[in-house]
Amino acid sequence: GAGVSQSPRYKVAKRGQDVALRCDPISGHVSLFWYQQALGQGPEFLTYFQNEAQLDKSGLPSDRFFAERPEGSVSTLKIQRTQQEDSAVYLCASSLVGVQPQHFGDGTRLSIL
Amino acid sequence: AQSVTQPDIHITVSEGASLELRCNYSYGATPYLFWYVQSPGQGLQLLLKYFSGDTLVQGIKGFEAEFKRSQSSFNLRKPSVHWSDAAEYFCAVGATNNNDMRFGAGTRLTVKP
Repeated sequence: GAGVSQSPRYKVAKRGQDVALRCDPISGHVSLFWYQQALGQGPEFLTYFQNEAQLDKSGLPSDRFFAERPEGSVSTLKIQRTQQEDSAVYLCASSLVGVQPQHFGDGTRLSIL
Repeated sequence: AQSVTQPDIHITVSEGASLELRCNYSYGATPYLFWYVQSPGQGLQLLLKYFSGDTLVQGIKGFEAEFKRSQSSFNLRKPSVHWSDAAEYFCAVGATNNNDMRFGAGTRLTVKP
C-alpha cells in the first residue's frame, strides 16, 4: 500500500486479556519500529526490526510485551495479561533503512478496562 | 543516549503571525534531527529533517528549521501560520550509530482566528 497500515484502529480489552496489534509497513521498507504514545506525551521507542531480525527490544516495558516480524514485512505486537497502564496509542513506523525518515501509521488506540 | 527537550508545552498564535517552536537536543555527535506533526487521531507526518550539510532546512507546508550546533537546537519556524497548522508538533533526534530515535514531549499549537 501507499502508507503504513495499522489494525485495529481501536481496541478495548479487559485487564488480563491478551491483545495483538498488527502493522503493515510500506512495501520494501527494511526497518520497522514500534512506539508507545501515552496521552499528552511523545512516542516512546519500544522495539526495532531490520527485515525479520529484531535488533533492539530495549524499550519493551516488560516481558508481557512481545513483537515479531517473521517474514520481514508484517509485524505484530502482542501484549499478554494486559494491565491498565498498557492503555496508550501504539504507533508503527517503517523506513528504508534505520532512522532514515520514518513513515508512521495512524496507530492503534488500546484501552484496558 | 540522545534526548530531546521541547520547552513549550502549548503555544497560541494568531493566524498570519510568525511561529517558532523550540527544540533542544542532547547527543555527543552530529545527530539526525526531525520535526513531525500530529493531528488528533492521526499518525506522525514528517515536516523536515536534518542529516548533514546546510543547517537551514526547508520542509513541507512552508516550514523551515535551523540546526545550531553551538546551541544544540533545532527550532522550527514558519513566517505566517494558517489555521490548518493547529496540531501537535514533535521534535526527534536519531543517533548516527544506532536505530534509536527519541522524541520530545511535543508542543501543542493553537491558532487564533
